[in-house]
Amino acid sequence: KNEVEQSPQNLTAQEGEFITINCSYSVGISALHWLQQHPGGGIVSLFMLSSGKKKHGRLIATINIQEKHSSLHITASHPRDSAVYICAPTGNQFYFGTGTSLTVIP
Amino acid sequence: NAGVTQTPKFQVLKTGQSMTLQCAQDMNHEYMSWYRQDPGMGLRLIHYSVGAGITDQGEVPNGYNVSRSTTEDFPLRLLSAAPSQTSVYFCASRGTHQETQYFGPGTRLLVL
Repeated sequence: KNEVEQSPQNLTAQEGEFITINCSYSVGISALHWLQQHPGGGIVSLFMLSSGKKKHGRLIATINIQEKHSSLHITASHPRDSAVYICAPTGNQFYFGTGTSLTVIP
Repeated sequence: NAGVTQTPKFQVLKTGQSMTLQCAQDMNHEYMSWYRQDPGMGLRLIHYSVGAGITDQGEVPNGYNVSRSTTEDFPLRLLSAAPSQTSVYFCASRGTHQETQYFGPGTRLLVL
């Protein structure tokens, strides 16, 4: 079962590039979380959103509940953004995508 | 606040051994969960608790037990370790209304 699909699975970008990670889901949700996991590290929540758009620094997350789709954008990417980004739609439970592995090259 | 803590960070077991993975949080969160993370797969829910004295099974509960005697602690017990339980285990907690989940640093388990 694939309630959550993320694309791309892997992404390599040059420093400074604009990055987009997409998430589509099939379950009914009340909110969606974007998580960040650095290599060998723990998991940190970046955003929780239920509609529209949120912005934290260079990160922007959008969600379209009707289309069951969310995107995470990173502007002016930096090597420290290299991590796995996980989409987690939430209804009665948390669902998790398999993650997008991002590498930003200096 | 220490947030969510997990011990140990790394453990090697032989098949058939038992052990307990510890998880504690100091944020007075009602919801606590255990997940396992395997290569190529998303986080999968093992067990969860909505409050002290209340636990329930998640997606992959077989081979694991949990208890929640206090709000702070949520240990995960492996009854008889199997190589299929080699994984990274994450404990997480959150407040009542689907708020942000806070994850522990993870426990890397290798079962030989």
